[in-house]
Amino acid sequence: AQKVTQAQTEISVVEKEDVTLDCVYETRDTTYYLFWYKQPPSGELVFLIRRNSFDEQNEISGRYSWNFQKSTSSFNFTITASQVVDSAVYFCALSEAGDYKLSFGAGTTVTVRA
Amino acid sequence: DAGITQSPRYKITETGRQVTLMCHQTWSHSYMFWYRQDLGHGLRLIYYSAAADITDKGEVPDGYVVSRSKTENFPLTLESATRSQTSVYFCASSESLRGPRETQYFGPGTRLLVL
Repeated sequence: AQKVTQAQTEISVVEKEDVTLDCVYETRDTTYYLFWYKQPPSGELVFLIRRNSFDEQNEISGRYSWNFQKSTSSFNFTITASQVVDSAVYFCALSEAGDYKLSFGAGTTVTVRA
Repeated sequence: DAGITQSPRYKITETGRQVTLMCHQTWSHSYMFWYRQDLGHGLRLIYYSAAADITDKGEVPDGYVVSRSKTENFPLTLESATRSQTSVYFCASSESLRGPRETQYFGPGTRLLVL
């Protein structure tokens, strides 16, 4: 069963538009960790954020913000005033208690057009 | 600080050949991981290691062998490469403070083509 669902396969926006990436996860554990990674066209995986299940505070880092809602099992990611350099594949991932792997979503490809 | 490096970055080999992908990290992280990335499957864990001389299977271990004689190195060997092992391979590492659920940091990846 898919533990992390990123329903949006591709999103295309014009520069300066906001874009929100959805992530819905599934777990029976009360302790778990959620992550977002960015994979630019160069191919590397860049860590963006880690959030544990006990911390539902939203977080903002520059143009990036994250909305964690346990009630809907969602951990959405918003890029404000998008730039061409934001073009990448973005992955949401889940780590559950007692499991040693990250369960990745399928990824959302974001294309920002100038 | 080099962080985590992988070599080679690109490799072409033939079916049946043995191939070793190298992973080296300079952070002294206890945990190391190997993932493969394929279209339609996302990233899947092949093997992981909690410390030197401690390794365990992940989700898709068949056809792969790992070793960890030193904390900083975690080589992945394809004993007899098959076309289905054509993929992008990522190595990752994490600290041990809270176990493997610490953030995993990834290497640049190795693109492997098996002909």
